[in-house]
Amino acid sequence: QKEVEQNSGPLSVPEGAIASLNCTYSDRGSQSFFWYRQYSGKSPELIMFIYSNGDKEDGRFTAQLNKASQYVSLLIRDSQPSDSATYLCAVNPSPSSNYKLTFGKGTLLTVNP
Amino acid sequence: NAGVMQNPRHLVRRRGQEARLRCSPMKGHSHVYWYRQLPEEGLKFMVYLQKENIIDESGMPKERFSAEFPKEGPSILRIQQVVRGDSAAYFCASSPAGINSPLHFGNGTRLTVT
Repeated sequence: QKEVEQNSGPLSVPEGAIASLNCTYSDRGSQSFFWYRQYSGKSPELIMFIYSNGDKEDGRFTAQLNKASQYVSLLIRDSQPSDSATYLCAVNPSPSSNYKLTFGKGTLLTVNP
Repeated sequence: NAGVMQNPRHLVRRRGQEARLRCSPMKGHSHVYWYRQLPEEGLKFMVYLQKENIIDESGMPKERFSAEFPKEGPSILRIQQVVRGDSAAYFCASSPAGINSPLHFGNGTRLTVT
């Protein structure tokens, strides 16, 4: 069974620090990887996606992918209280489509002022 | 530009009743995807539809659940004879023709079965 594992947290960091969120996946053939942010009671919001090994940066966010280790991470620099949310890692095993994602249960991040 | 619109936002049903959840895709999008998020669980894929066609329903429970996306109007996820275990948040996403775009979800419908 294909699985995506995340530490449920809570992960607590002080404002201004770097928050590091980690995700491992079981399907070695997975092709694309997504990070979603979900505030309590709200919908998941796409914040990053990455397809190739290495780093991808977008503003304060950096996604890191290591397919050999089946590991994907999200770094949030200069963390703000508004970043406090649950972060969902999602993995797509298919090379031809992005719709059938396998989600982890999420990591709750708390940024303390 | 309106995003994916779902309604109702909250739906309460008694056991045995029917629940109908609606999803209007983004303008110009002809592909719709339904996901379910059970309490303390990750989102799980349910079904992928194009206009008038079910493309992939591998995530749908075998009984009581059905989905449609008619030529006109929103996509409907229908749950017959609801049970307490159906209580969850149901999210819809859409994409244009071509299914390699990352998914953007609507605000969801939170179903509570009493």
